[in-house]
Amino acid sequence: AQKITQTQPGMFVQEKEAVTLDCTYDTSDQSYGLFWYKQPSSGEMIFLIYQGSYDEQNATEGRYSLNFQKARKSANLVISASQLGDSAMYFCAMRDYNQGGKLIFGQGTELSVKP
Amino acid sequence: NAGVTQTPKFRVLKTGQSMTLLCAQDMNHEYMYWYRQDPGMGLRLIHYSVGEGTTAKGEVPDGYNVSRLKKQNFLLGLESAAPSQTSVYFCASSQGRGWNNEQFFGPGTRLTVL
Repeated sequence: AQKITQTQPGMFVQEKEAVTLDCTYDTSDQSYGLFWYKQPSSGEMIFLIYQGSYDEQNATEGRYSLNFQKARKSANLVISASQLGDSAMYFCAMRDYNQGGKLIFGQGTELSVKP
Repeated sequence: NAGVTQTPKFRVLKTGQSMTLLCAQDMNHEYMYWYRQDPGMGLRLIHYSVGEGTTAKGEVPDGYNVSRLKKQNFLLGLESAAPSQTSVYFCASSQGRGWNNEQFFGPGTRLTVL
């Protein structure tokens, strides 16, 4: 069964610094996709970045980048130049081809950005 | 495009009452999903649909029913609400189930069962 593990319940970072949020995954599939979502205190799920298992380069979207290490089965999210508005819960997720392609989520990391 | 919308945004029920949550999407997506999010946890799949007229069970289906009579709508019903169903409910849609298909989420419905 596929599984996502986020081992950091909470993280603090100083404004303007970079921060890495950890995500490890377990799957026996050769093809898979990994996603990161942001959930601010308002509650909505905001898609941040996607990495495909066969993508040769690490995904980047503005200040977000994904440090993808396939052999280690890790897909860490890196946020550069943190802003106060980055304070939120962050979820790593993977598509499961079964059950209609559901997303399997980790437990999340709560990021707090200090001024 | 409104994307994925959910109605209502908030609801308080008494144990034993029933209600229906409505999800609508305007992206012509085939796949739709209902998830629930409990405190300190990621989302878990309740039910899903792979097209109009189809529904299937997810990880935590007990106590819920769903219907997809129209492609753009996916309804989640609670026939007899229980306090354990207090949660935030998210609807999502996707063009396909492939590993590179993004799921688009609605804003969520916060349900409290007393």
